Amino acid sequence: QQQVKQSPQSLIVQKGGISIINCAYENTAFDYFPWYQQFPGKGPALLIAIRPDVSEKKEGRFTISFNKSAKQFSLHIMDSQPGDSATYFCAASAYNTDKLIFGTGTRLQVFP
Amino acid sequence: NAGVTQTPKFRILKIGQSMTLQCTQDMNHNYMYWYRQDPGMGLKLIYYSVGAGITDKGEVPNGYNVSRSTTEDFPLRLELAAPSQTSVYFCASSYSIGTASGQYFGPGTRLTVT
Repeated sequence: QQQVKQSPQSLIVQKGGISIINCAYENTAFDYFPWYQQFPGKGPALLIAIRPDVSEKKEGRFTISFNKSAKQFSLHIMDSQPGDSATYFCAASAYNTDKLIFGTGTRLQVFP
Repeated sequence: NAGVTQTPKFRILKIGQSMTLQCTQDMNHNYMYWYRQDPGMGLKLIYYSVGAGITDKGEVPNGYNVSRSTTEDFPLRLELAAPSQTSVYFCASSYSIGTASGQYFGPGTRLTVT
């Protein structure tokens, strides 16, 4: 019940295309859903986050869509660029804990 | 601000040896975390701390120990290293779990146990 399932494992997109990464969870106590971006040899960095009181959050080319009834959330990267090539992790935490549960990651490659 | 710093960057240990991974943050964050990252497995929480003198276990604490004597430092101790502890270790810190700024991660320590 603590798992966060992430798909796909890897994704190849052409420059200018839309990248979509999906995550699903079981624990209904989760109330904070961040996405982290990791470049090779670096630590992850927060990209964007959402709480379940909204269904969508947009920051620049990055959008989180959240479906509370389906217990799913996704990251959309519009106009994908080669510089977006990285590994993306979804995560979740519950209001009564201080711990993030991470998905297994998606390696995104954007080709020019 | 240097953010979250970790030392060493790389280390090779023999089975049964011990070592301490150092982590320091200069952002005055109360919360600090240790994760391990294995290929295809995401990040798993080893230990975390909500303030000086307070630590708690995460998902995979076996074989590790931590201490938090100051706000800035959160060292991770490996006793009797085993090949299963070969991994990349990340330290992170935050104001709290759900802040808009999220967790700040260090650059990682790549550990190999042979």
